[in-house]
This record gives sequence, C-alpha cells and structure tokens, in this order.
Amino acid sequence: GAVVSQHPSRVICKSGTSVKIECRSLDFQATTMFWYRQFPKKSLMLMATSNEGSKATYEQGVEKDKFLINHASLTLSTLTVTSAHPEDSSFYICSASLAEDEQFFGPGTRLTVL
Amino acid sequence: AQKITQTQPGMFVQEKEAVTLDCTYDTSDQSYGLFWYKQPSSGEMIFLIYQGSYDEQNATEGRYSLNFQKARKSANLVISASQLGDSAMYFCAMSHSGGQGNLIFGKGTKLSVKP
Repeated sequence: GAVVSQHPSRVICKSGTSVKIECRSLDFQATTMFWYRQFPKKSLMLMATSNEGSKATYEQGVEKDKFLINHASLTLSTLTVTSAHPEDSSFYICSASLAEDEQFFGPGTRLTVL
Repeated sequence: AQKITQTQPGMFVQEKEAVTLDCTYDTSDQSYGLFWYKQPSSGEMIFLIYQGSYDEQNATEGRYSLNFQKARKSANLVISASQLGDSAMYFCAMSHSGGQGNLIFGKGTKLSVKP
C-alpha cells in the first residue's frame, strides 16, 4: 500500500529558531500534498495545499511567511516553521494524494517550542 | 459552506459489542465524499472507510460500515464486535467532488472500549 513518511517525528526547539518538517511519499508519486495542524484534543485544520512545482495554496488565517511550504518533487514536500514560538507547538500532519482517488496520511510530527 | 458535525465528544462501548459514531454534514455540493479516519494515541491518521455521495449502497470494510442517509445528511460509522484496539479518536471528514482532495474534518469522537 501507499506509504507516507514524515521526519522528524518529534522536535523540540528554542523560541526563534526555524524547524523543517519533511513529508515523503515512499512508493508513489504524489501530485498534491496537504499540510494539517492539530491542536490537542481538537480536529485537524488544513493549513495549505501543495502541488509539485507550484506555490502552495494557503487556507485563510495561515501565515504564508510563517509556514513555508516547498513541494520540490513528486515525492517530497517540506514545511518550515520560521521563527517558531511556543504558540506554534502542535501536531503537524501531512498527507499525499494519489490522483484524485486516495489520500494517505503521514504519521505526524510533534513540535514543541520552548 | 461545508461543515462536519460530530456531536459525541466521547463514547464508551463494551468489548465485542457494536457501536455507532455519529456524523452529520452540510454541503450544497451535489458530488462529495465522506470519510472516516481513526487516530490512535500515536497520532497517525488511519483511513477506515469511504462513501461517495452517489453510491447507492452503504460502504462496508470488514468490521466497519457506514450508515449513509443522504436525505438526513448523516454518515454514521458503525463498528461491529469492538476490540480493545479500537480505542482511539475517530474523525469524520468530507471532500468536494467525491475525491479526497480537500478534506474538512469534524471535531472527532473519542472511543473507549472496555474489557
């Protein structure tokens, strides 16, 4: 089956630093990747939709300069949280779409900003 | 605007019994897809079942079935013969145009299976 990986699974960083999270589709080419954020005990919130080779489409209220998304290849998308602050602490999940039929989720990355 | 509502923040079920998790939705689209995901404490999202808005029969996947009532705009998940490993958060989600493209999630229901 299709597998999506995320790295790192957990990261702790100091306030003001930038953190990069990688999302990879391991055995298929994903034309579209999605980034979600999940607050504790709350639902997933779509942050942005990323298509290979083009700029990401951000949801309303998500700061483009804060959450930089790069979808450089059909198997890799990265989310960089720039100048992270404690309020950015969250669980970030990516998913990858195989055509329009299926979407596969990564295992998530838990970010803690001190 | 599209919206997913899960009214049960938490549910308990006895092992081996069946449980229904509620999900209602609101959309003006004619074509849409409904999904259920399981999220264990590890955080990963596990796809369980899918129902297309034009599918006439309710979807089934092993112990999971989706009770799709289009007129009522409900898509309840039924888990039969509950197992301890079923304890998790369950999210109902909806997409435009039937595919998984852009999902809107409900707030989730935490299911606890008692031995």
